[in-house]
Amino acid sequence: AQSVTQLGSHVSVSEGALVLLRCNYSSSVPPYLFWYVQYPNQGLQLLLKYTSAATLVKGINGFEAEFKKSETSFHLTKPSAHMSDAAEYFCAVSDQRSGNQFYFGTGTSLTVIP
Amino acid sequence: NAGVMQNPRHLVRRRGQEARLRCSPMKGHSHVYWYRQLPEEGLKFMVYLQKENIIDESGMPKERFSAEFPKEGPSILRIQQVVRGDSAAYFCASSPSGIAPYEQYFGPGTRLTVT
Repeated sequence: AQSVTQLGSHVSVSEGALVLLRCNYSSSVPPYLFWYVQYPNQGLQLLLKYTSAATLVKGINGFEAEFKKSETSFHLTKPSAHMSDAAEYFCAVSDQRSGNQFYFGTGTSLTVIP
Repeated sequence: NAGVMQNPRHLVRRRGQEARLRCSPMKGHSHVYWYRQLPEEGLKFMVYLQKENIIDESGMPKERFSAEFPKEGPSILRIQQVVRGDSAAYFCASSPSGIAPYEQYFGPGTRLTVT
């Protein structure tokens, strides 16, 4: 069965510093991986997705993530944090077998310190 | 192009009442998914529907919960005889296809509070 682990439920970075949010997945078949962002009292917005093409995926708002099969990881990064990046971030996995179900991690709350 | 719409955004029910949550998918999307988000947790899959069909309800509690997606109108998630533990945010998502890979587009959620 698929699962997602997000290490660090809370991450704080200074404005302008590197953002690194960790995601490790478990899947017995090639996965499809997603990062979503959730602002307070809003729904989830897709940041980026990996669907077996390039392993380095670029998303919106300057975020990118790299799929590393050997490490079963899909960490999210952004070179320079902005105040507007403060939000909850969710990693999700699906695959061709589970396709209809997305399995979400428990989320990482990002705080940006001015 | 309107996104996924959910109403109401906030719903308060007393224990034992019924809650009805509505979801209108994006235009052109015929696949709808419901998720529940408990406080401090990620989203948990509940049910996947296409028009007039429940495709996968493996995440639905066995009792009191039901979902439908009629030929006309929005998808409805119905919770009968609500209890305090049902308090959560309920998110609907839609997709244009049921064939992976695809992303799911999420609505703003309905926050249910049971008093």
